[in-house]
Amino acid sequence: TQLLEQSPQFLSIQEGENLTVYCNSSSVFSSLQWYRQEPGEGPVLLVTVVTGGEVKKLKRLTFQFGDARKDSSLHITAAQPGDTGLYLCAGGAGTSYGKLTFGQGTILTVHP
Amino acid sequence: NAGVMQNPRHLVRRRGQEARLRCSPMKGHSHVYWYRQLPEEGLKFMVYLQKENIIDESGMPKERFSAEFPKEGPSILRIQQVVRGDSAAYFCASSMALSFTDTQYFGPGTRLTVL
Repeated sequence: TQLLEQSPQFLSIQEGENLTVYCNSSSVFSSLQWYRQEPGEGPVLLVTVVTGGEVKKLKRLTFQFGDARKDSSLHITAAQPGDTGLYLCAGGAGTSYGKLTFGQGTILTVHP
Repeated sequence: NAGVMQNPRHLVRRRGQEARLRCSPMKGHSHVYWYRQLPEEGLKFMVYLQKENIIDESGMPKERFSAEFPKEGPSILRIQQVVRGDSAAYFCASSMALSFTDTQYFGPGTRLTVL
């Protein structure tokens, strides 16, 4: 059984601060997705990374896939209140076609 | 370009009734996935379907739950004789094809409440 450990579970910071969310596993994933979920809505895809060591940037968000494809991180620079939400990482294993394994999520609150 | 559509958005059922949740994938997508999000828990995979075929149902409870994706029309997740423990948010996702990136796009979910 593949597991994804996401940390921290809760993060409360002030506007302008930087933060990093981690997603770790003992298993290798063929791809790693990051989603953001608002209350009462479905997860919205932020990025997909597929290559070990890959780094992708989306405005103030930087995503990294570990060299061994077992871990990933999401870094937000100069957080804003609009970044508040639930962030989820999800791993695809390639051979387990279609089955994404999700982390528990990180609830981020950015205070003005 | 419409995204994944789910209905109803909210569903209330009494214990013992049946719940039917519908999902229309994004245009051009032929792969559908169902996930369940229980209170205070993460998203858990339930089932993966292609048109008229169940590919992987390893996450489905053995009893009372079934899913289909007919040739025409939306995918349906059916829960018979619901119990309070079935109360959760059920999400449908779709993808264009089986791909190495595994990218899936999610619908807004159906919140099921069992009284």
